Amino acid sequence: DAGVIQSPRHEVTEMGQEVTLRCKPISGHNSLFWYRQTMMRGLELLIYFNNNVPIDDSGMPEDRFSAKMPNASFSTLKIQPSEPRDSAVYFCASRGQAGELFFGEGSRLTVL
Amino acid sequence: EDQVTQSPEALRLQEGESSSLNCSYTVSGLRGLFWYRQDPGKGPEFLFTLYSAGEEKEKERLKATLTKKESFLHITAPKPEDSATYLCAVQAALSPGAGSYQLTFGKGTKLSVIP
Repeated sequence: DAGVIQSPRHEVTEMGQEVTLRCKPISGHNSLFWYRQTMMRGLELLIYFNNNVPIDDSGMPEDRFSAKMPNASFSTLKIQPSEPRDSAVYFCASRGQAGELFFGEGSRLTVL
Repeated sequence: EDQVTQSPEALRLQEGESSSLNCSYTVSGLRGLFWYRQDPGKGPEFLFTLYSAGEEKEKERLKATLTKKESFLHITAPKPEDSATYLCAVQAALSPGAGSYQLTFGKGTKLSVIP
């Protein structure tokens, strides 16, 4: 299996621009998670989906952030407009049968 | 609110020098405690799941143990390739039907093993 696939790996953008991060979970996994990692706050859960339905988005920092999962093999996390404080590494993960998470390699976002 | 505290923040060991990493947690009913390894520029990689106090899991030079308040990751005779950040996470037991699978992560212990 190819594992969780994220794109882009690196994104540099200017404040105010729209950013879209993409994720393909492991085939057969029904739950998908978006996390953000910073030095100060560590790994924070933003939102997760179960069977393509958003279950808990309480971690989404504000209305500038949105996430969708149109089908079982694809999800997006969008930031519009982006701000410098959004700079972080964004991880997507899908959940195995024993509850363990399988993470992608992350998308490093830098907002100038 | 679920909390996970890992110590120390950073640890330098000589190759072969055994030690332990600590993960203290407060959670309203523990469904599972997870250990992950994270290499620079990579996503966390799953190592172990522990479900109840007294449980132990082993993998190569790593052994994870669990009590009602904390977990330890013991590293025996570490090698330089064991250098990484080790993350601990807890999943709270919620009422049936809540459907929450949230993991609360600690900030990790950065382990450096010097040849």
